[in-house]
Amino acid sequence: DTAVSQTPKYLVTQMGNDKSIKCEQNLGHDTMYWYKQDSKKFLKIMFSYNNKELIINETVPNRFSPKSPDKAHLNLHINSLELGDSAVYFCASSQATLSNSPLHFGNGTRLTVT
Amino acid sequence: GESVGLHLPTLSVQEGDNSIINCAYSNSASDYFIWYKQESGKGPQFIIDIRSNMDKRQGQRVTVLLNKTVKHLSLQIAATQPGDSAVYFCAEKSNYQLIWGAGTKLIIKP
Repeated sequence: DTAVSQTPKYLVTQMGNDKSIKCEQNLGHDTMYWYKQDSKKFLKIMFSYNNKELIINETVPNRFSPKSPDKAHLNLHINSLELGDSAVYFCASSQATLSNSPLHFGNGTRLTVT
Repeated sequence: GESVGLHLPTLSVQEGDNSIINCAYSNSASDYFIWYKQESGKGPQFIIDIRSNMDKRQGQRVTVLLNKTVKHLSLQIAATQPGDSAVYFCAEKSNYQLIWGAGTKLIIKP
């Protein structure tokens, strides 16, 4: 039933480790996104994929690499984790990037780097 | 009242009263605006949207007002309930990207 689901919900790891967050949407949407939300609740877009192709790549460290095996999935892999990577990461999807259609968000992955 | 600065702006409202959450947007060419609600531990949830060719749109207990002259957007919630407690975000579509506001925390007083 869940429209946009991401796993895991919580991720606690040590500095220097590599981790992945998975996201799947069953809405048939063409576009998927990764957002980072800091402790002040500010939402910042990281990546956007349309039909498995990267269309937005904001200024994020290249330690972050999105992978889209098909248009229903957009995973986020993070190498060499740093303390500053601690945040809540949200996956989202929308019908199309250029249209006036709202984003549908997952419930987030809280990443804590110690 | 509202507080600004390093903390998330906060609006406290008595249960049953109407809430008005305000948002100033940046680009006069933005053509689409959205309000989202984010409850604790969840992702932002779509509430209502409005296109730039409208100045008002109503949903169930919510109304969005758009004033393009002063680049101002507001969300009105009628008869505020405890379940309305959340952080509310406005977003504008500008140059094919969504620009997000900082969020306003709505607190309901019993």
